[in-house]
Amino acid sequence: GDSVTQTEGQVALSEEDFLTIHCNYSASGYPALFWYVQYPGEGPQFLFRASRDKEKGSSRGFEATYDKGTTSFHLRKASVQESDSAVYYCALGLSSGSWQLIFGSGTQLTVMP
Amino acid sequence: ETAVFQTPNYHVTQVGNEVSFNCKQTLGHDTMYWYKQDSKKLLKIMFSYNNKQLIVNETVPRRFSPQSSDKAHLNLRIKSVEPEDSAVYLCASSLQGVSNERLFFGHGTKLSVL
Repeated sequence: GDSVTQTEGQVALSEEDFLTIHCNYSASGYPALFWYVQYPGEGPQFLFRASRDKEKGSSRGFEATYDKGTTSFHLRKASVQESDSAVYYCALGLSSGSWQLIFGSGTQLTVMP
Repeated sequence: ETAVFQTPNYHVTQVGNEVSFNCKQTLGHDTMYWYKQDSKKLLKIMFSYNNKQLIVNETVPRRFSPQSSDKAHLNLRIKSVEPEDSAVYLCASSLQGVSNERLFFGHGTKLSVL
């Protein structure tokens, strides 16, 4: 069935390191792909989305490119800060029948000063 | 800036009790949702409501029921809580409920079942 897979459960980096969080999806057609971020004690916040092949989404220095060939939407940031520490979710928007947003398992990012 | 408001923030109860959580959105959105986030941070959709009509119900136990008085409110009732219901319940809304829309989440209600 339709699903989203995030490879990394936890990522630990130092400030100014490069970040990659891998996201792969399984779905037919061109589903909308999203990244959300969740800080402690809050609900997930929309980061950005992409809806077609080769489209790049970006926000706050984070970016990801929709790749239908590899069914991926990997999150990247060139230089992380301590304030980026949070849980990051990749998500898939499905519109077959009724609409719903399917979330990946989440990646806990910890950035040390 | 928060525009989806959930009450209470925390609730502790015993097995078999009934609980109800409230959610209100001030964005004028047509669709609202309830998600369950377990202790491993997994997010699963429970319900969505559009114009007072239930759209999605993902194999949720019958003891859970959504309740809506208007499109700005979507409450969640659990008739007789079980230990596995301990989780964070997140309410969200979106403009129309179509595939490329972003969701706006509340801060969540954390339920602990003793």
